[in-house]
Amino acid sequence: EVQLLESGGGLVQPGGSLRLSCAASGFAFRSFPMSWVRQSPGKGLEWVSTISPGDTNTFYADSVKGRFTISRDASSDTLYLQMHSLRVEDTAIYYCAKRGPNWGHFDFWGQGILVTVSS
Amino acid sequence: EIVLTQSPATLSLSPGERATLSCRASQSIRGLLGWYQQRPGQAPRLLIYDTSNRATAIPPRFSGSGSGTDFTLTISSLEPEDFAVYYCQQRSNWPLTFGGGTRVEIK
Repeated sequence: EVQLLESGGGLVQPGGSLRLSCAASGFAFRSFPMSWVRQSPGKGLEWVSTISPGDTNTFYADSVKGRFTISRDASSDTLYLQMHSLRVEDTAIYYCAKRGPNWGHFDFWGQGILVTVSS
Repeated sequence: EIVLTQSPATLSLSPGERATLSCRASQSIRGLLGWYQQRPGQAPRLLIYDTSNRATAIPPRFSGSGSGTDFTLTISSLEPEDFAVYYCQQRSNWPLTFGGGTRVEIK
């Protein structure tokens, strides 16, 4: 059974930093692209970032480019999102999501972790 | 950036009725469109990938169709658990984008 478990969220002041983790199990983690998708309170879904299976390629939404860094550790089957220079508008539930074969749609999602940016 | 426009924003229907949800893309997305269901307090769940393929364990009352820039999700007969928000998403171009969602509510 595929499981994705996010951690590391919480309250942070504007301008601060936070690192999210996503522990993956139940599938060949190193073989699939992995992503972060966020959802602001009461709003829709926004893709944040994706990393390729071999770590060679990373992709970012313009809204986070230069501030967020996605990475993965194949030895521990863990996905990360390092967030710097956080803004109030980054407040959201952050979901870790697995992409399907051949860079498919998001076929499995974690339960999400709340990040609140506020003074 | 490819913009996905979903309509209607809200659909009010009764259990057993047919639901038809629309998603229009700002340019051709080569059929690389998926649909997700999100129930309150839950993560999204993939229903349909690449226009018309049902994801694992998705019941046959859910079907997808379309081409070019116009796509449709149909729920043939609404079950109580189908009242939720539905999002479309394209994987044709970076950045990946989602539609704004359609809420299917009980009439």
